[in-house]
Amino acid sequence: ETGVTQSPTHLIKTRGQQVTLRCSSQSGHNTVSWYQQALGQGPQFIFQYYREEENGRGNFPPRFSGLQFPNYSSELNVNALELDDSALYLCASSLALETTEAFFGQGTRLTVV
Amino acid sequence: TQLLEQSPQFLSIQEGENLTVYCNSSSVFSSLQWYRQEPGEGPVLLVTVVTGGEVKKLKRLTFQFGDARKDSSLHITAAQPGDTGLYLCAGDGIHLMNYGGSQGNLIFGKGTKLSVKP
Repeated sequence: ETGVTQSPTHLIKTRGQQVTLRCSSQSGHNTVSWYQQALGQGPQFIFQYYREEENGRGNFPPRFSGLQFPNYSSELNVNALELDDSALYLCASSLALETTEAFFGQGTRLTVV
Repeated sequence: TQLLEQSPQFLSIQEGENLTVYCNSSSVFSSLQWYRQEPGEGPVLLVTVVTGGEVKKLKRLTFQFGDARKDSSLHITAAQPGDTGLYLCAGDGIHLMNYGGSQGNLIFGKGTKLSVKP
């Protein structure tokens, strides 16, 4: 077990709704990254947060947004949900910004109907 | 276009067989990682390779980083049912600005789904 916890584990939403996913990073880790993993694909980088600031972003539209809190926990928000947003959303924490080794949570399975 | 190509995509073998999975790219990575992911779970880090030509062993698993740091392989000796899972390679995306390059960003392949039958 990595010590990274995500909630909820499963979620069903209707197209057009908004969703918030949560992540508690491993103790001592100040960097959190979010990934989207569609069925049969590898994880795709959404964005990364370091000390409460966004530090990089993948090819995702602005309706994907995030926050990092002083305790380094993080949220991923998705507005105006689309059917293609159905995926496993993974949070990964790293010891420091310079570290590429990531420790993943178990993910949140989001289904948009 | 997938930056990291993994092959084969699917592999089904009998317990005790050996296997090799590959991870190839046209780009150079300063480091590359291998993860294993089980259904409904997040990926778990197996190893990080950093130096071209590097070989690392983890029990029955042997990982190699290509001399040019563009490719890697994972070899499993005497596979067991417990090895079943999705094997993902991931390269650091630090210098790949078109892929949201930022320190700590990982570029993943699609994975190799391994099934080991008893």
